[in-house]
Amino acid sequence: EDQVTQSPEALRLQEGESSSLNCSYTVSGLRGLFWYRQDPGKGPEFLFTLYSAGEEKEKERLKATLTKKESFLHITAPKPEDSATYLCAVQADSSASKIIFGSGTRLSIRP
Amino acid sequence: DAGVIQSPRHEVTEMGQEVTLRCKPISGHDYLFWYRQTMMRGLELLIYFNNNVPIDDSGMPEDRFSAKMPNASFSTLKIQPSEPRDSAVYFCASTLRGAGEKLFFGSGTQLSVL
Repeated sequence: EDQVTQSPEALRLQEGESSSLNCSYTVSGLRGLFWYRQDPGKGPEFLFTLYSAGEEKEKERLKATLTKKESFLHITAPKPEDSATYLCAVQADSSASKIIFGSGTRLSIRP
Repeated sequence: DAGVIQSPRHEVTEMGQEVTLRCKPISGHDYLFWYRQTMMRGLELLIYFNNNVPIDDSGMPEDRFSAKMPNASFSTLKIQPSEPRDSAVYFCASTLRGAGEKLFFGSGTQLSVL
């Protein structure tokens, strides 16, 4: 069964303190791995798609990387406005367009 | 485009009542997904459609749940009868195949079943 596990569940950082969020996945052939950001009371908002091991994507203070078993979302010198829940999702080759999400990491950045 | 539109924004009902959640996807998108989000289980895929046809409903919890997509611009998720354990935020999302599977989510419907 396809599975996505994110860690940690919650992370509190000081402004400027860099860190990484982890997403481990088990799928029968990866078609794509996705990162989303969710603010309270809103739907998830798309950040990145990664397709193959070794691929990296960047957007402002965020960089996503992918290996054959996991993905990392690196946050460099975060600001309070980066506080949100970050969700990882995967799409398997065998399941057409079915996209499965992890439980997310709640990130809080203190000024 | 106004994005994915869901209604109502909030729904409070009593156990046993029928609940209907509505979704208008982004014009031109050919996939529509219904998800449910709770603190305990995170974001769960319930069902998804391609060109108005249900493709995978294996995530639908039980027969009390049903979903329809009568045309490309409208979908409903119905719960009958509702139970307190159905309380959650229900999200609708749409995408265009070939667009990197970038899902566009609505703002969700907060459902409370008393």
